[in-house]
Amino acid sequence: DADVTQTPRNRITKTGKRIMLECSQTKGHDRMYWYRQDPGLGLRLIYYSFDVKDINKGEISDGYSVSRQAQAKFSLSLESAIPNQTALYFCATSFRGPNSPLHFGNGTRLTVT
Amino acid sequence: AQKITQTQPGMFVQEKEAVTLDCTYDTSDPSYGLFWYKQPSSGEMIFLIYQGSYDQQNATEGRYSLNFQKARKSANLVISASQLGDSAMYFCAMMRGNFGNEKLTFGTGTRLTIIP
Repeated sequence: DADVTQTPRNRITKTGKRIMLECSQTKGHDRMYWYRQDPGLGLRLIYYSFDVKDINKGEISDGYSVSRQAQAKFSLSLESAIPNQTALYFCATSFRGPNSPLHFGNGTRLTVT
Repeated sequence: AQKITQTQPGMFVQEKEAVTLDCTYDTSDPSYGLFWYKQPSSGEMIFLIYQGSYDQQNATEGRYSLNFQKARKSANLVISASQLGDSAMYFCAMMRGNFGNEKLTFGTGTRLTIIP
């Protein structure tokens, strides 16, 4: 079983719909992150959480919200999906510290039509 | 603002040859970490190697090594004896920030294709 699990793996939705992407981890890491990947732009940070009571905006948080339901669960919501939110979304986890690598889930491919 | 630059959008390399993927970074912080990730066509992100800004020696992990030139602010990934399975996207990333508030920023990636 994967240490960082994202559901769903693929999702097609219509403009204006609310959608939630879920992430759970069994690694025991405090920190969790949501990134989106677009061709030619690399990965960009949407939101991150360093513990259950700590939520922080990343560089592209507009149009997104998150919830850290437990240490092991971090969900990303698109309140009203729009086509330019079509992307590959990654959840990641890490221990604290500048030398701690991020461990990624397998990604959720979201298409907004 | 911090920035990671990967100037090679794509590279083609003959199997069994060594390959160097370029990465330069920009930060004024004295403490930071540099990472390389591999993304095969299946899409997952795989951590390859880490270099700390205070590390005196270049990091190595099997066939991967990181050529860290601090004065030039470069952190190139070297893959020795390339294999077909090395064909993938490669991302350089930098972790920086005040202790307890570190964040990872990625470059735009290099697509490496190994030719048989």
